[in-house]
Amino acid sequence: SQQGEEDPQALSIQEGENATMNCSYKTSINNLQWYRQNSGRGLVHLILIRSNEREKHSGRLRVTLDTSKKSSSLLITASRAADTASYFCATETKGANNLFFGTGTRLTVIP
Amino acid sequence: GAVVSQHPSWVICKSGTSVKIECRSLDFQATTMFWYRQFPKQSLMLMATSNEGSKATYEQGVEKDKFLINHASLTLSTLTVTSAHPEDSSFYICSAVVGGSGNQPQHFGDGTRLSIL
Repeated sequence: SQQGEEDPQALSIQEGENATMNCSYKTSINNLQWYRQNSGRGLVHLILIRSNEREKHSGRLRVTLDTSKKSSSLLITASRAADTASYFCATETKGANNLFFGTGTRLTVIP
Repeated sequence: GAVVSQHPSWVICKSGTSVKIECRSLDFQATTMFWYRQFPKQSLMLMATSNEGSKATYEQGVEKDKFLINHASLTLSTLTVTSAHPEDSSFYICSAVVGGSGNQPQHFGDGTRLSIL
């Protein structure tokens, strides 16, 4: 299976704290993407980081990629209650544009 | 921009019924669309890649005759669950890529919750 692993499976923090989620994958990739999913809804794209990039920022989000370790992390700074959702990493392999999703992290931000 | 609409959002039907789910790209052309299945509190599993004007590519273990995919236009792909049974109950989500090339994010519909009685 090409599915990645994420940890932690669940994370509960206080509003204002930072949240870090990690993703590990198995194959060579073209890029790695992070998505957010609110309960019972579709996914929303957050950040795409290419295999030759090491770090990327978007607002309160910071993503790192270490291709030697086949791992990535998503940092959400100054969390808000509205950040409560499931977060998935997904990898796109070279030569294909389909994605394989990680197991996801359920983030709960307590007001 | 890059809005994907999925319809219906919720279906409840009897065992043996066939159910069609539509996925539309509203403001862009999508040569490639994807269909996923998601069980409660689990990740998305890719079922098939749908290419406009050609046959879909199914992932290993997905029955082609059970899950019929048609991508007849650049803005519409449909998934038909034929003779659905309770074990087919799940959350089905489609996505599309602008331009159909790599290194692009996927844009997702809001999903269809299918419940087979």
